[in-house]
Amino acid sequence: QPVLTQSSSASASLGSSVKLTCTLSSGHSSYIIAWHQQQPGKAPRYLMKLEGSGSYNKGSGVPDRFSGSSSGADRYLTISNLQSEDEADYYCETWDSNTHGGVFGGGTKLTVL
Amino acid sequence: EVQLVESGGGLVQPGGSLRLSCAASGFTFNNYWMSWVRQAPGKGLEWVANIKQDGSEKYYVDSVKGRFTISRDNANNSLYLQMNSLRAEDTAVYYCARDSRAVTRNKDYWGQGTLVTVSS
Repeated sequence: QPVLTQSSSASASLGSSVKLTCTLSSGHSSYIIAWHQQQPGKAPRYLMKLEGSGSYNKGSGVPDRFSGSSSGADRYLTISNLQSEDEADYYCETWDSNTHGGVFGGGTKLTVL
Repeated sequence: EVQLVESGGGLVQPGGSLRLSCAASGFTFNNYWMSWVRQAPGKGLEWVANIKQDGSEKYYVDSVKGRFTISRDNANNSLYLQMNSLRAEDTAVYYCARDSRAVTRNKDYWGQGTLVTVSS
């Protein structure tokens, strides 16, 4: 079963960039993942699907400031020109073909300073 | 515009039952797998169950097997979650989500959620 590992927290200054990491467990380094954003008190929002090649497809209305990249088992979400509304929890998600269910990382709480 | 609207949450005693509903609009409902995902207070996201387009396949996280049943009504663009034998640890916001048509079946649209509180 794939496991997704995320740092519990991150912080960056308004107007700067931040790179969040989601690491796939051993044996699952080629898996495709998705990134979701959850602003305080709101439902999650789908941001993008990200492949091991680094190719990504964003959801409807996701700003250009959000981009994805990959290196080995690591999947990255980069947010440029940070805005106050980017302060949120960010979750990665993948698929477990054995359980036929979704698997989520523990989430990263991003603070915009 | 894709919309998913959950209802049916509330306060229920341990051992009780509750049925959640999700009304879908803005897309061809019977073309997609659908899922329920929950989030306990202050915790992360946990996939709960999903169902194939025609209802012929259903899968559950181990902790709810035998207690929860996912179903759908394609004629009425609705998704359901019947929850029986509820426990305190089932307390969470329950989200209805659409599975994308990608091989990963990641969630690509989410509802606003409905809160289920299991307490005496």
